[in-house]
Amino acid sequence: DAKTTQPNSMESNEEEPVHLPCNHSTISGTDYIHWYRQLPSQGPEYVIHGLTSNVNNRMASLAIAEDRKSSTLILHRATLRDAAVYYCILGQGAQKLVFGQGTRLTINP
Amino acid sequence: GAGVSQSPRYKVAKRGQDVALRCDPISGHVSLFWYQQALGQGPEFLTYFQNEAQLDKSGLPSDRFFAERPEGSVSTLKIQRTQQEDSAVYLCASSADYSNQPQHFGDGTRLSIL
Repeated sequence: DAKTTQPNSMESNEEEPVHLPCNHSTISGTDYIHWYRQLPSQGPEYVIHGLTSNVNNRMASLAIAEDRKSSTLILHRATLRDAAVYYCILGQGAQKLVFGQGTRLTINP
Repeated sequence: GAGVSQSPRYKVAKRGQDVALRCDPISGHVSLFWYQQALGQGPEFLTYFQNEAQLDKSGLPSDRFFAERPEGSVSTLKIQRTQQEDSAVYLCASSADYSNQPQHFGDGTRLSIL
C-alpha cells in the first residue's frame, strides 16, 4: 500500500483558511488521493478526492502538485466544527482504505 | 436519506463471550467494509464484501472473527470467545459501486471486553 506522510497536528484560528499538507512520494499513476476526516466519537467522513487536477467541493479544495508527490487540503474558512483528525489516503477503485495517523486539527475561537 | 447504521452503539461483554455487531449499509450500495479502530489510532481494515461475496478478509485478526452478508445488504461481524484485545470501535462503511466512490461510514460500535 502506498504510504502518505502528514504532520501529527496543526492549529488554526476560526474563520481563517487552513492548509493541510500530505506527502506521497511513492504514489502510482493510478492512485487517487482521498481525504477523510473524523470528528470525535463519529465515523470517518469523506471530504474530497482527486487524481491529477485540483478539485473543489462544498467542503474543501484539493490542490495536487504537478508531480503528484504531494497534495494540500484547503479549508477556506475554518469553523469550530472543522476540528477533527484529517486523513490523506491513496487508493484505487473500490479498495480498502489504509488510514495512517492523520493530522489532528485544532481550531481556536 | 438514511446513512450507514450500526447497532448496538455500545457493547460490553465478558471475556470469552460471543458478540455480534450489525451493519445496515446505505440502500443499494454494492460494497461494504468493516474496520477496527483502537483508541488513538486510525481505523484498520478487516474485511470487504461486494454484494454477498466476501472478496477480502485479509484483515481479520484471527479465526475468532467472522463476517457475513448473506443477502448482499445487512452485514454482521461476529467475534467468538472475545478477548480483552478485541476492545475497540468497529466501523462499517459502504460505497455505491466498484469505482472510486467515497466510502460512507457509520458511527461504529464501541466494544468493551471486561
